Amino acid sequence: SYELTQPPSVSVSPGQTASITCSGDKLGDKYACWYQQKPGQSPVLVIYQDKKRPSGIPERFSGSNSGNTATLSISGAQAMDEADYYCQAWDSSTVVFGGGTTLTVL
Amino acid sequence: QVHLQQSGPGLLKPSQTLSLTCAISGDSVSSNRAAWNWIRQSPSRGLEWLGRTYYRSKWYNDYAVSVKSRISINPDTSKNQFSLQLKSVTPEDTGVYYCARDPYSMIWYEDWGQGTLVTVSS
Repeated sequence: SYELTQPPSVSVSPGQTASITCSGDKLGDKYACWYQQKPGQSPVLVIYQDKKRPSGIPERFSGSNSGNTATLSISGAQAMDEADYYCQAWDSSTVVFGGGTTLTVL
Repeated sequence: QVHLQQSGPGLLKPSQTLSLTCAISGDSVSSNRAAWNWIRQSPSRGLEWLGRTYYRSKWYNDYAVSVKSRISINPDTSKNQFSLQLKSVTPEDTGVYYCARDPYSMIWYEDWGQGTLVTVSS
């Protein structure tokens, strides 16, 4: 079965750029999307189709996808960006989520 | 603005049937573009897609292999909602269950319900 691998945690200083990776076999041949989830809340879509932002998502969120890795970048990270982030893709009629990355801004 | 409101019991005993409903406002369950999904989350399994229903001149369903023998997702056009039934639950089915809207059936989830914590315990 298809798997997406994320680092368990990433730390970033306020105002710097955070990069969260998601690895999967030939992931660049598929569309990836990203969700942000804060404690006790439902996930929020922040990137879809590799690099598109839904309405209302700040421009500091961006995405890319090539080869075996999709990347979510958060430029000028803020304390409010502290959350769990999940990547997601579609393979062989199955929806796959990554295990999640906890972003700490400190 | 689409809003999804979940309802249903949160405590079940093993072998019972889990039943949840997701009421839709701001879109139609009979939309020819959207798909309506159930996703669950647990510490042991992470986020797990369970299945979806969608309308394209007739109703279709897709289910995850892991639950295919036990799951049913059904639309209710009269109430503009859809439901999840999961039979023969075990403690492994404990988790937070979400309904979610895929606006163009392109496999991303733009709107989520508030989540329902379902606990399976004897």
